[in-house]
Amino acid sequence: DAGVIQSPRHEVTEMGQEVTLRCKPISGHDYLFWYRQTMMRGLELLIYFNNNVPIDDSGMPEDRFSAKMPNASFSTLKIQPSEPRDSAVYFCASSLGQVDTEAFFGQGTRLTVV
Amino acid sequence: GQSLEQPSEVTAVEGAIVQINCTYQTSGFYGLSWYQQHDGGAPTFLSYNALDGLEETGRFSSFLSRSDSYGYLLLQELQMKDSASYFCAVRDDTNAGKSTFGDGTTLTVKP
Repeated sequence: DAGVIQSPRHEVTEMGQEVTLRCKPISGHDYLFWYRQTMMRGLELLIYFNNNVPIDDSGMPEDRFSAKMPNASFSTLKIQPSEPRDSAVYFCASSLGQVDTEAFFGQGTRLTVV
Repeated sequence: GQSLEQPSEVTAVEGAIVQINCTYQTSGFYGLSWYQQHDGGAPTFLSYNALDGLEETGRFSSFLSRSDSYGYLLLQELQMKDSASYFCAVRDDTNAGKSTFGDGTTLTVKP
């Protein structure tokens, strides 16, 4: 397996624009996580899915953020409208089980909102 | 809620041994994980402890004491490539799929 695949790797957009980040988890993994990493706030869990169902979205900063997982092999994180403070690296990760299995991270999307 | 504390920076020389500590406060606890992240890269899993004691994986070992809410990552025979950030992460048993990460420890290995 190629691992968790995220696209794009880099995104530069203007404030107010819609941004969509994409993730393909490892085949067979039934947990998918979206994280955001910044210098100020570290690595924060935004939302996670189990079997395509959102389980906990308490980390989503505000209504401008939304995430979907229409099937087991694809998830999106959307920001609309984007703001400069959304600039960060966004990681998607997947895992096979619930607690005692490791999470595999994608290479991340570096988002810059100007 | 949960909080984790780990040192922000550690420096050591090649061939040495270094220990990175992590203390946590959680409303529930299921296990402690460690991840490594090189600059510009993605976090990669190193180890997981659910029970007290030491887990060894090659040059890296991880220890957990549930009664002390404390764990550490031990890196032996340090190499330059070990220079990276190391994160501890806690899974609580109230929301077992969710991990909370510490702020990370930046390890610098010098020749």
